[in-house]
Formats: sequence, C-alpha cells, structure tokens
Amino acid sequence: EIVLTQSPGTLSLSPGERATLSCRASQSLSSTYLAWYQQKPGQAPRLLIYRTSGRATGIPDRFSGSGSGTDFTLTINSLEPEDFAVYYCQQYGRPWTFGQGTKVEMK
Amino acid sequence: QVQLVESGGGVVQPGGSLRLSCAASGFTFRDYAMHWVRQAPGKGLEWVAVIWYDGTYKYYADSVQGRFTISRDNSKNTVYLQMNSLRTEDTAVYYCARDADKYGMRYCDNWGQGDLVTVSS
Repeated sequence: EIVLTQSPGTLSLSPGERATLSCRASQSLSSTYLAWYQQKPGQAPRLLIYRTSGRATGIPDRFSGSGSGTDFTLTINSLEPEDFAVYYCQQYGRPWTFGQGTKVEMK
Repeated sequence: QVQLVESGGGVVQPGGSLRLSCAASGFTFRDYAMHWVRQAPGKGLEWVAVIWYDGTYKYYADSVQGRFTISRDNSKNTVYLQMNSLRTEDTAVYYCARDADKYGMRYCDNWGQGDLVTVSS
C-alpha cells in the first residue's frame, strides 16, 4: 500500500497569499495516478486536480498541480476567501489511498 | 447534472448490519465504476471499496474485507454497500463517488453528500 504524507498539517495564510501544499508518496507514483480534492466543513470532497496537473471542470486557474515520482504539490495562487478548506491528495492505484489532509486556514 | 444520493445510514449496535444505497442520476450509470469512501468524525478520508461498471470486479480495503460487500443494480442506477459485523470504528460518514472510467482506475469526479453511520451500543 502506498502511504501519502501531506505537509504541513495546517497552513495559516491571508487572502491574496499563495498556498503551497505538499504530498509525498512512500514509493514512486506514475503522475497519472495523483489527484487533489478540496473539502469544506459539512460538505463532500470536490475534485480539483487529476493526473497531477489536470484541472477538473469548473476549477479556477489559480489552482495548479505539479510533481513526479514521490513528490507532488498543489499550489493556490492568490487565495480567495472560498479557498479556505481542507485539501487531500489521493493516489488511485490499488488500493486507493488518501493523504491525511492539509487545512488551509485564514490568518 | 450528475447526482449521487446516499441513504440507509443510521445507528446500529456493534455486530449489527446495515445496507447503504446510492441512487445515481444525470449520467449513464452502467458506464462507470463506483466507489465508497468514508470519513470518521473529525478525521480524513478513507477509501472503502470499488465496483466495476458491470459489477464483475470488486475490491476492498483491508479494514472492511470480509465484512462489507459492494454491489450494483444497473437497471436501478444504484450502488449498494452491505455492512456486516459492524464495529465502533466503522462509525463515519459514507460517501459514494463516481470513478472517471469503467474500471475504477481513475479519480473520483463526482461525490454524493454522504450518509452517517453510527455504530454504538
């Protein structure tokens, strides 16, 4: 099983700042198999990024993904108030696994 | 648009059983694999199970293998999760999610709103 470790656990930022979230895999992943989700309190997760860098339908271009091998990054340029949420990375090779999440909170 | 609506959750005693349903609409259900993912209170996401588009292949997390069964009825556009021998650690919100392809080898591009299962005496 591939373990995904996200860092930091919590990111305290102000609107307009850039957020950089890390996801490290316990073994090398094909970049095809890495996704990012956003979850707000009381809501279901929402797909943001697939195949490391593809933006899902309706996702603003301030969200971008990158990485390869064992290190992957989600970047949110110029945080908007609605971006404060928890973000999860996921690898979708069997078994599917999620990282433990990074909370982006307003400073 | 794509809609996934879970139902069947509730409170059950340890050792008991429950069946969750997820009714799908807004897309050709038989063309997509489906997943169940759960989230314990205040915790992160945990993948539970996947079923192929035609129901011929199923795969489970180790934590539920042998206790949970995923199934689907393509004539009713519904996926199910039969949960037996429930434990307190199965307490969670259970989400059904659509995979982006037939074989469950992609990301989950649409999610239901979730249904709470509480295992408690």
